[in-house]
Amino acid sequence: DIQMTQSPSSLSASVGDRVTITCQASQDISNYLNWYQQKPGKAPKLLIYDASNLETGVPSRFSGSGSGTDFTFTISSLQPEDIATYYCQQYDNLPAITFGQGTRLEIK
Amino acid sequence: EVQLVQSGAEVKKPGESLRISCKGSGYSFTSYWISWVRQMPGKGLEWMGRIDPSDSYTNYSPSFQGHVTISADKSISTAYLQWSSLKASDTAMYYCARLDCGGDCYVRVVVDYWGQGTLVTVSS
Repeated sequence: DIQMTQSPSSLSASVGDRVTITCQASQDISNYLNWYQQKPGKAPKLLIYDASNLETGVPSRFSGSGSGTDFTFTISSLQPEDIATYYCQQYDNLPAITFGQGTRLEIK
Repeated sequence: EVQLVQSGAEVKKPGESLRISCKGSGYSFTSYWISWVRQMPGKGLEWMGRIDPSDSYTNYSPSFQGHVTISADKSISTAYLQWSSLKASDTAMYYCARLDCGGDCYVRVVVDYWGQGTLVTVSS
């Protein structure tokens, strides 16, 4: 099984800060990685697909990069509405998909 | 507008059976696989399995195979997740989600739309 390790597990930042979350795969997964945002009490929402493509309607302050085993998710300028838990998800080992353990983002 | 609307919260006793539903609208239901994802209280997301509504072919996570059944009725654009004998450890939020595969769900999977979730509580 492919393991996805996200770091940090939690993060506190100020409005306007640049925020970076990393996701490491246990083996090469090319660019087969997506990122989701889950606000408290809500369903997850797709933000980034295929490692670096912004989903339609998602603000441009969100971005993703990486390939192989190391991936990065960035919020260029943190906004209050970005408070959420963020998950990476790989699809290299279909039909199974695997999520990272999540990164909880809080406002400082 | 694409929507996945799930059935309401359930409270059950251990050993009881249960079926929850997920109705798709705003798109061709048979053109997209549906997955089910579990989220236990305070925990992360776990993929349970998926179904192709066009022919009801399913794949399961080994962690859930044999404990749940995924099905679909394409005539009413609805997918189902069912248990024959619930355990307390099944207490969780369950999400259905649409898979955008770009043509081949054995090559690429993006979970592009999610239902609102169904909370299942199993307690004696």
